Amino acid sequence: DTAVSQTPKYLVTQMGNDKSIKCEQNLGHDTMYWYKQDSKKFLKIMFSYNNKELIINETVPNRFSPKSPDKAHLNLHINSLELGDSAVYFCASSQASGETEAFFGQGTRLTVV
Amino acid sequence: GNSVTQMEGPVTLSEEAFLTINCTYTATGYPSLFWYVQYPGEGLQLLLKATKADDKGSNKGFEATYRKETTSFHLEKGSVQVSDSAVYFCALSPSGSARQLTFGSGTQLTVLP
Repeated sequence: DTAVSQTPKYLVTQMGNDKSIKCEQNLGHDTMYWYKQDSKKFLKIMFSYNNKELIINETVPNRFSPKSPDKAHLNLHINSLELGDSAVYFCASSQASGETEAFFGQGTRLTVV
Repeated sequence: GNSVTQMEGPVTLSEEAFLTINCTYTATGYPSLFWYVQYPGEGLQLLLKATKADDKGSNKGFEATYRKETTSFHLEKGSVQVSDSAVYFCALSPSGSARQLTFGSGTQLTVLP
């Protein structure tokens, strides 16, 4: 009954590869997010989708492409991986409006070698 | 723009010690303020929140008071336990919505038995 689940939990890959991280939420939320947490634990939003539509796109290289097939899923595809992409990526979801709490997945630790 | 500044970590305490983690913010208007906690190997989860000046958020023995005059939202607990070891994030949202969260850099807390 995990609320926000993301796979895989760990991902080790070589530079230049293309990889995807999947995220699903069963909370019935309208809004989903991707955050990047660097080695110093600093958390920065990358993307936000509301009802499958992109509403926030921070300054992120266009090698990162989110895809939302439906409002319960928000996948992150990364092309041509670089060493600097190594981080923990968190998916989260929340209700679209009002005073709301964000629910986070367990994170995907991406290591680019 | 909006920003959140937290005290530098890591913080190491003995069990039953008093905890304070400082947090100050910069924002226009009256943002909502939050503390999120990240236990080892898990995603962030909401610990407590306050939505207006002088409000006190509390949960699991933790408290924080929204101080508009000092733009602060310091986290306190009178007697920490080993199970409180985690990373603590202060955050704000101008509208109260999780869609506009800005996080601080996180403070690692380790409680020793």
